[in-house]
Amino acid sequence: NAGVTQTPKFQVLKTGQSMTLQCAQDMNHNSMYWYRQDPGMGLRLIYYSASEGTTDKGEVPNGYNVSRLNKREFSLRLESAAPSQTSVYFCASGPRAGGANVLTFGAGSRLTVL
Amino acid sequence: DQQVKQNSPSLSVQEGRISILNCDYTNSMFDYFLWYKKYPAEGPTFLISISSIKDKNEDGRFTVFLNKSAKHLSLHIVPSQPGDSAVYFCAARGDNQGGKLIFGQGTELSVKP
Repeated sequence: NAGVTQTPKFQVLKTGQSMTLQCAQDMNHNSMYWYRQDPGMGLRLIYYSASEGTTDKGEVPNGYNVSRLNKREFSLRLESAAPSQTSVYFCASGPRAGGANVLTFGAGSRLTVL
Repeated sequence: DQQVKQNSPSLSVQEGRISILNCDYTNSMFDYFLWYKKYPAEGPTFLISISSIKDKNEDGRFTVFLNKSAKHLSLHIVPSQPGDSAVYFCAARGDNQGGKLIFGQGTELSVKP
């Protein structure tokens, strides 16, 4: 069982470059999420998709875009990377948008913007 | 505005003793609370949850207590083991919010042999 798979695991960008983080889940989950983790800040929600075909902003959406490509895949795009976007990014999925909705997380993608 | 707060960045406990991790929240509309555990270079993994209609939930060595009037929850680990050393995140979820979780800053637990 792969669960939630994120690619790439590591990436170094220069300021102004663009890139897309890919996320796929094989648990037939309805909802998917992108978080970033920074020291002392915990996990902050960037964007989420409560179901296929919908996306919504989270706490820190500026500088990011997302695409819910299908039920399995949810990508995060940085159009013009900035040093403030240096972080560890986690994708997560949940079985539904209601109830306890325990989220399963990927292993993370470490992004450095120079 | 931090809706979920973990005010202790770190905690050190002796093996075999109790570990108590605390979490405070401000939004009375939260209906589920969860604890996640995170090892370095891995994603967070689910540990235990509690519904807002309960005040206690137990799973083996892990017990979560919820005090709604104080907007406070705690995770008790008894007995603590060196393998419990990790960062623990408290998270909360409100109804009709797309299932999204709001996380605290995390507490790094170190269990010493």
